[in-house]
Amino acid sequence: KQEVTQIPAALSVPEGENLVLNCSFTDSAIYNLQWFRQDPGKGLTSLLLIQSSQREQTSGRLNASLDKSSGRSTLYIAASQPGDSATYLCAVSLGGADGLTFGKGTHLIIQP
Amino acid sequence: KAGVTQTPRYLIKTRGQQVTLSCSPISGHRSVSWYQQTPGQGLQFLFEYFSETQRNKGNFPGRFSGRQFSNSRSEMNVSTLELGDSALYLCASSLGDLETQYFGPGTRLLVL
Repeated sequence: KQEVTQIPAALSVPEGENLVLNCSFTDSAIYNLQWFRQDPGKGLTSLLLIQSSQREQTSGRLNASLDKSSGRSTLYIAASQPGDSATYLCAVSLGGADGLTFGKGTHLIIQP
Repeated sequence: KAGVTQTPRYLIKTRGQQVTLSCSPISGHRSVSWYQQTPGQGLQFLFEYFSETQRNKGNFPGRFSGRQFSNSRSEMNVSTLELGDSALYLCASSLGDLETQYFGPGTRLLVL
């Protein structure tokens, strides 16, 4: 059974810092990995999707990497801003009709 | 392009009742998935529909069911509600397998 772990569970940093969120998964036979953010009481916003054949994806200040063989992904946020405060979730797909398996998330607070 | 919409946004029910939640996917998306989010268990996959067919179901009791219509809109039904069914129910749509999943704002269900 696929398990996804996210470290740290919570993180508080001052504005402007670069930071890294970690995600690990137990079954390396994934088809893709997706990073989301969730604001309190809201749905999920997709940030980046990395296919299993890819090593990284970038969108603006966000960069996500994938090391499928070691079962790890990182989300790098450059020059953090207070608006980045949210819960960040990592999810993997085994493909086909299988749903996403989510980690418990990292609760991020950016201090102004 | 309109995003994923879910109705109702909030719902209060009592134990033993049943409830139906609705999800309208992004236009052109044929895959719809449902997830349950609780503080204790996090996000868990309920089921996935593609072209009106349920292709996969998560580890939930038979009280949880769903369907998809020819226009890709989907409904999920929970019968004989229990207190533990209180959760945020999220719907996601995608073009198909291995594609980015886009989530709606969710329906918050409270069972009293």
